[in-house]
Amino acid sequence: GIQVEQSPPDLILQEGANSTLRCNFSDSVNNLQWFHQNPWGQLINLFYIPSGTKQNGRLSATTVATERYSLLYISSSQTTDSGVYFCAASPYFGNEKLTFGTGTRLTIIP
Amino acid sequence: DVKVTQSSRYLVKRTGEKVFLECVQDMDHENMFWYRQDPGLGLRLIYFSYDVKMKEKGDIPEGYSVSREKKERFSLILESASTNQTSMYLCASSSGQGTQAFFGQGTRLTVV
Repeated sequence: GIQVEQSPPDLILQEGANSTLRCNFSDSVNNLQWFHQNPWGQLINLFYIPSGTKQNGRLSATTVATERYSLLYISSSQTTDSGVYFCAASPYFGNEKLTFGTGTRLTIIP
Repeated sequence: DVKVTQSSRYLVKRTGEKVFLECVQDMDHENMFWYRQDPGLGLRLIYFSYDVKMKEKGDIPEGYSVSREKKERFSLILESASTNQTSMYLCASSSGQGTQAFFGQGTRLTVV
């Protein structure tokens, strides 16, 4: 099946800094999503982005499907951005099973 | 907004008990999923359903079964709960191929 790898596994930043999270995937995809897991365990949808670029406030994401990677950018980090960020993908040819990376734990220090 | 609701937020069960985790979605989605999340292992797919009464095994189906008798409801069943099934369980749904998945709030199950 498809492999999804995220980097870095941990990231500690000062409030106000910018960050880039990376997701590599091993196959062509028809679904690529970014999630933020809040302290209560809920997965919050950030972006559905199998290709192209999207922006939502301080967050933006870019997926380069031909090179099999996606990037999540967080600008002007706030303490509320802390948590675990997951990337998940499903292959272009195949069923709908979403495979998750192991996540990036982001800690924003005041 | 899409809503995926899991029946319990926290659950404590005894070893050997039969456990039912329920998930309901309100958007007429075809696909529904059950994942478990463990520290250091991320989310792993247990079972997937693409239609009523249709199911496929995920990566870690052993010790679990599922039921989907109605489109909006997907149940995860632990036939005989064991302590290694203590975990966070997450349900999700999506409308079709290559579409966005939405997750419930999660059920933290402890088996004692």
